[in-house]
Amino acid sequence: IVMTQAPATLSLSPGERATLSCRAGQSIASSQLSWYQKKPGQAPRLLIYATSIRAAGIPARFSGSGSGTDFTLTISSLQPEDFAVYYCQQNFFGGGTRVELK
Amino acid sequence: QVYLVQSGAEVKRPGASVRLSCKASGYTFPNSGVSWVRQAPGQGLEWLGWVSTFEHNPGYAPKVQDRITLTTDTSTSTAYMELRSLTSDDTAIYYCARDLHFIRDLWGQGTMVTVSS
Repeated sequence: IVMTQAPATLSLSPGERATLSCRAGQSIASSQLSWYQKKPGQAPRLLIYATSIRAAGIPARFSGSGSGTDFTLTISSLQPEDFAVYYCQQNFFGGGTRVELK
Repeated sequence: QVYLVQSGAEVKRPGASVRLSCKASGYTFPNSGVSWVRQAPGQGLEWLGWVSTFEHNPGYAPKVQDRITLTTDTSTSTAYMELRSLTSDDTAIYYCARDLHFIRDLWGQGTMVTVSS
């Protein structure tokens, strides 16, 4: 199943809200949608699984929602350490959204 | 502590094969599968395949299915990935990840594979 993310890049300032979108090529079970954070030189980090469940140790400012083919990752108030690339994944990964400092 | 430790960096010639390992510690290895994921320079994450001790048939991405073999050794809690007929397009960091029902919650540190003549 092809996963498509938008936008490719988000330019935001610390404290702002980030909204990242992910669309599946066909309807998927909510249990199958995860979000990862990737920083240079580091392994990917699981943020959200089953659409909306935060992984262990993930701050509450990260939240996930959606169903069917449309899913969203929201970062309520960007912290300096949140500037990174974010990937959604069912089995295959989406192309990623880079959240960069404005 | 739970972790996955991957083998060291590799440099290969075009046309060669590479075999990477991923050793699990701190959890019951047969209870989860292992996915392999790579990231080429400047590119996104690419899922390559999945293997477990409880499914007889590994799953492979169409792009590499003719060149990849994933195996496990339960006696040493180690997963292996072999990729054959390497080209420069296979130059990437390769990661293994614990995978249960598409949830990849534990990742290895990554192995750099460079394919160059």
